Amino acid sequence: KNEVEQSPQNLTAQEGEFITINCSYSVGISALHWLQQHPGGGIVSLFMLSSGKKKHGRLIATINIQEKHSSLHITASHPRDSAVYICAVIQGAQKLVFGQGTRLTINP
Amino acid sequence: NAGVTQTPKFQVLKTGQSMTLQCAQDMNHEYMSWYRQDPGMGLRLIHYSVGAGITDQGEVPNGYNVSRSTTEDFPLRLLSAAPSQTSVYFCASTPEWRQGWPTDTQYFGPGTRLTVL
Repeated sequence: KNEVEQSPQNLTAQEGEFITINCSYSVGISALHWLQQHPGGGIVSLFMLSSGKKKHGRLIATINIQEKHSSLHITASHPRDSAVYICAVIQGAQKLVFGQGTRLTINP
Repeated sequence: NAGVTQTPKFQVLKTGQSMTLQCAQDMNHEYMSWYRQDPGMGLRLIHYSVGAGITDQGEVPNGYNVSRSTTEDFPLRLLSAAPSQTSVYFCASTPEWRQGWPTDTQYFGPGTRLTVL
């Protein structure tokens, strides 16, 4: 079992839909990162969370430390949001573990 | 600011050859790191540095060397390339870190696609 599980692995939606991508992890963590990888391969860091919720534009990230779960939400999705979204967790002071990513496709 | 730059963008090596992947950042970040990305494996940390003269191993350090002589530059050296090192390599930097891990936004370079024949 992977230490970081993302779901779904693939998601296709229509423009304007509300999108949720989930990240679950199996051990205690000190922080969690959400990254976006564009179709061309470039990686952009979206959020770093250790508790609660963060918002940037149409993107919202939440984390529930007790349930070992984080979600990334996209409101009013747009084709330019099509990318692979990657969750990464820092496990205490020992390890940085990445999920395998969720491939999101938004159709016009 | 150029951000994080990597060279080359593409490279093909033969087994046993050595080469250096270059990484530079102009944001005065102390923390820099190298990752490799393989299909089905996700990103994995190779080496990282928390300042000039200080480096440490990540999850998959074997076959790679790093050094940090300046804040700006963090080259990754492949000593004797093997087909298992075929991958896409990303360098990243971050302004804040704690206990060896990034605790703020990471800035990624564009990547180097390496093929070892």
